[in-house]
Amino acid sequence: KAGVTQTPRYLIKTRGQQVTLSCSPISGHRSVSWYQQTPGQGLQFLFEYFSETQRNKGNFPGRFSGRQFSNSRSEMNVSTLELGDSALYLCASSPRGAANYGYTFGSGTRLTVV
Amino acid sequence: GESVGLHLPTLSVQEGDNSIINCAYSNSASDYFIWYKQESGKGPQFIIDIRSNMDKRQGQRVTVLLNKTVKHLSLQIAATQPGDSAVYFCADGGSSGSARQLTFGSGTQLTVLP
Repeated sequence: KAGVTQTPRYLIKTRGQQVTLSCSPISGHRSVSWYQQTPGQGLQFLFEYFSETQRNKGNFPGRFSGRQFSNSRSEMNVSTLELGDSALYLCASSPRGAANYGYTFGSGTRLTVV
Repeated sequence: GESVGLHLPTLSVQEGDNSIINCAYSNSASDYFIWYKQESGKGPQFIIDIRSNMDKRQGQRVTVLLNKTVKHLSLQIAATQPGDSAVYFCADGGSSGSARQLTFGSGTQLTVLP
């Protein structure tokens, strides 16, 4: 079966712009989580959605937001981009949205802010 | 807050030798842990997991050991192969019922020498 699909794979944006990233989970998975990966901070949890509701949020500023659609696809948005937002953004899906049910990660979107 | 730490950022082993990657966690209430492998340009890939009611779990060429007393877990890779070269992360899946995010360690870069 198809894995977690993230689009686009690569993105270059200018400071101050906004960006929207997309994630299509594994078919049947209802939970989608987003993580930011940087060399300095490692993998950090952004937020988790289940059945179109945000259930959990990490320690990121309000410029980072997301949503989930009825088909479980999810988008995350970053507004007023800063250089420090350059990172690999990873999406993970899970059948029920609990870590002990297993999370499968996509290959990520590499965002570069210039 | 919760944290997960790895003992060594890099590890080099000879092909055919066994590899051991160590990880410490801080949350004594956590009952689920996962090891992920991340190759360049890809998202984290599930290797093996373990629940707190177990001390040891074996997979194909991999073994995870959990010591709840000292809050330590390790990943052992038998007969390390060139394809095992990657960054390995341990992740704390939190406690049952509330585990909706993963707390990752900083990662160990494993290099397999010919």
